[in-house]
Amino acid sequence: AQSVTQLGSHVSVSEGALVLLRCNYSSSVPPYLFWYVQYPNQGLQLLLKYTSAATLVKGINGFEAEFKKSETSFHLTKPSAHMSDAAEYFCAVKDNFNKFYFGSGTKLNVKP
Amino acid sequence: DGGITQSPKYLFRKEGQNVTLSCEQNLNHDAMYWYRQDPGQGLRLIYYSQIVNDFQKGDIAEGYSVSREKKESFPLTVTSAQKNPTAFYLCASSSTGTRDNQPQHFGDGTRLSIL
Repeated sequence: AQSVTQLGSHVSVSEGALVLLRCNYSSSVPPYLFWYVQYPNQGLQLLLKYTSAATLVKGINGFEAEFKKSETSFHLTKPSAHMSDAAEYFCAVKDNFNKFYFGSGTKLNVKP
Repeated sequence: DGGITQSPKYLFRKEGQNVTLSCEQNLNHDAMYWYRQDPGQGLRLIYYSQIVNDFQKGDIAEGYSVSREKKESFPLTVTSAQKNPTAFYLCASSSTGTRDNQPQHFGDGTRLSIL
């Protein structure tokens, strides 16, 4: 089975600071990589997905992620955190059989 | 707008009772999935279906059952055999392309609690 590792179950940043959420995947997976956001008592919303067209992927709400094959990483960043970014974030990969694997999630807290 | 509808949003189960969670999608997706979410454990796959009248067990299928009689619908039954059913349940769907980056789409979830 494939695996996804998200380092840090909780991350806390100040409003306006850089957000960095880490995701590493098992090297056997194809690069079908995704980031989702989940607000309390809601489903997951797609933030962005990796496309082979570029290693830096831009998503919604100012988030972006960089695919680094040599490091098997797909970290999520945002230059300046906003209070509304407080949520839980999930990294996911899809295998060649249309099965998805999720990391355990990172809860982002934004301090005023 | 296309999307996934889960109902009810909140559900309570009595001891020894089976309950069914509804999931309907109008995205014309062939694949549908059920996940269970517990605090700090991410998403765990219960069942998934790639085509009508066929489904496969996920990682935690014991105590659950599903059916896939229509493309649009994938109901999940939590049986009395599931001794710890309290959780947030998420339904998702996707296209069945196996070598592309099409994502899963999610419903808003059903929160199941024990009475």
